[in-house]
Formats: sequence, C-alpha cells, structure tokens
Amino acid sequence: GESVGLHLPTLSVQEGDNSIINCAYSNSASDYFIWYKQESGKGPQFIIDIRSNMDKRQGQRVTVLLNKTVKHLSLQIAATQPGDSAVYFCAESHHNTDKLIFGTGTRLQVFP
Amino acid sequence: DVKVTQSSRYLVKRTGEKVFLECVQDMDHENMFWYRQDPGLGLRLIYFSYDVKMKEKGDIPEGYSVSREKKERFSLILESASTNQTSMYLCASRPGPERPGYTFGSGTRLTVV
Repeated sequence: GESVGLHLPTLSVQEGDNSIINCAYSNSASDYFIWYKQESGKGPQFIIDIRSNMDKRQGQRVTVLLNKTVKHLSLQIAATQPGDSAVYFCAESHHNTDKLIFGTGTRLQVFP
Repeated sequence: DVKVTQSSRYLVKRTGEKVFLECVQDMDHENMFWYRQDPGLGLRLIYFSYDVKMKEKGDIPEGYSVSREKKERFSLILESASTNQTSMYLCASRPGPERPGYTFGSGTRLTVV
C-alpha cells in the first residue's frame, strides 16, 4: 500500500548532487507511468511521464528510467537544489483500469 | 496550462455539518477524481466521474457523495461531517483515459471539530 508523511522513506542529498528516487510497480500490464512532486501543504505536481514502449525519457534536469523486466521505475534529478525538497510519488496505469495507482512516496531532503 | 481549482485551501467545520468541497477545471476534461490523503495511508480514491452526471465509487466512498452537473465542476459532499473525515482532500482531472496523467488541485485541508 501507499504511505505518505511521517512514515515515508527518506532520501537525503547534498545540494548539487544527483538524486535517484526508485519505485517498484506490481502490474506487468501497466503501460503508462508518471512521477509527481508534492511540496508541503500543496497538491501533487506533474514532473514527467513515460509510456511502456520507452526505456528512458528526459526533461529539464529530470530523467525517468523504466525497466519492464524487473518492474522498476526511477526518477533521476540532476544537480539537486533546495527547491527540489518534497515528496515524490510514482503512479502507474493501464488501459483497462482507467485510474492511476499511486506508489509509496519518497521524501527528498536537500541539505547545503 | 490546465488549471484545477479547489475553492478552499483550509476549512474548519463542526461535527454533523454538511460540507461541500468544490473543484473546477478549465480545460474541458472528461474525467475528474476526489482523493483524500492521510499520513501513513497515502492517496485514497473516494469517488470519480467519467462524464457529466456519471459517478463511480472509489475505494472509500462511505460518508461521502458527489455531484457533477456540469463538466467543469465536481463537488464532494460530506453529508454529516465526522472527526475521522479530517484530512487533506485533493481533486484531480484529466482529458480521458487516452491521456492518463492527472492534473491535481492545490488541496483542501479540512478539519472537523
């Protein structure tokens, strides 16, 4: 199940380093994946998405990697900044469900 | 950019009150969703709607109802608020299943006293 807030796994990185946030998904039929960022007291914001016909997709300072063999998704943030501190969620869906299934969030803490 | 607007950021209501949480999206999206988010439990789906006047129960519909009379507006109703409904409520929308990603609103933090 999902968890958020007090019981989240936490990743602490130094400003300027690269961050890698991981997510395991359970449904091999999932064909769409998305990462959200949620800052304290705000709603989740879209970061990047990827379809299952791709292994990698790049955005501005972010890269999503999809490994369908082991059902693993990762979000890489280059040159992490204090403004990147937030909770990050992955989500999956496939055309038969019509709803996103949210994964366990990870709290990213950036220190100077 | 798509905008999903939730009418209140913070709300305090008394036990037993009828509470309306409003959500409006401005991009003609077909699908709309209501979630609640609690520490340790993550995002849980309350209700969703694929189109006007259509609604389906999510994972935790008890104590809630919804209304979608117009495409742009999806309202969540707490018929008789209880303290265990104190939570962060998130509304989301998307064009349709062919574009599965949601756009979320800023959330409404509801406290029932």
